[in-house]
Amino acid sequence: KNQVEQSPQSLIILEGKNCTLQCNYTVSPFSNLRWYKQDTGRGPVSLTIMTFSENTKSNGRYTATLDADTKQSSLHITASQLSDSASYICVVSGTGGGNKLTFGTGTQLKVEL
Amino acid sequence: NAGVMQNPRHLVRRRGQEARLRCSPMKGHSHVYWYRQLPEEGLKFMVYLQKENIIDESGMPKERFSAEFPKEGPSILRIQQVVRGDSAAYFCASSLNQETGGEAFFGQGTRLTVV
Repeated sequence: KNQVEQSPQSLIILEGKNCTLQCNYTVSPFSNLRWYKQDTGRGPVSLTIMTFSENTKSNGRYTATLDADTKQSSLHITASQLSDSASYICVVSGTGGGNKLTFGTGTQLKVEL
Repeated sequence: NAGVMQNPRHLVRRRGQEARLRCSPMKGHSHVYWYRQLPEEGLKFMVYLQKENIIDESGMPKERFSAEFPKEGPSILRIQQVVRGDSAAYFCASSLNQETGGEAFFGQGTRLTVV
């Protein structure tokens, strides 16, 4: 069964600190892995998309890594801001389109002063 | 270029009523996907449509739920005779193509509450 597991389930950090979120998956076949940010009451917004051959990809203060051999990914957030408070969702795509996405349950991040 | 537009944002229905959720994809996108998000759970795929065609409805309950994407107008997710368990956030996403690397853009969701 295709699964995406994320850890930690929730995280509280102080503004300005860094943090790393983890994602393990068992989706097969594998096409790409995506990280989305979902603010409360809003739809998910894409942060990065990584294919099998990519090990790391950055988008501003967000850096995603992918180890396709161990089926693990991480999302590192640098110099966190209050606006980073959101749910971060790891999504793995099998061959196909949006109908082949498997979503993790997300890591709820809260950034405090 | 407006993003994916969903309406209404919030919908309250009594048990047994019908709920109609609308989704207008991004301009130029012909692929539409519907997902359901229950509290404390991840998004779950429901149905994938192209104009006038249902491509994959493997995630849709067999009864009471239907979806369409007509040649003109928005995609509609219809839930008949709603029950309390249908209360959830329903998200629509659209993409330019169905290639595996294609990015899906999400709408803001419709939050359905069944009372």
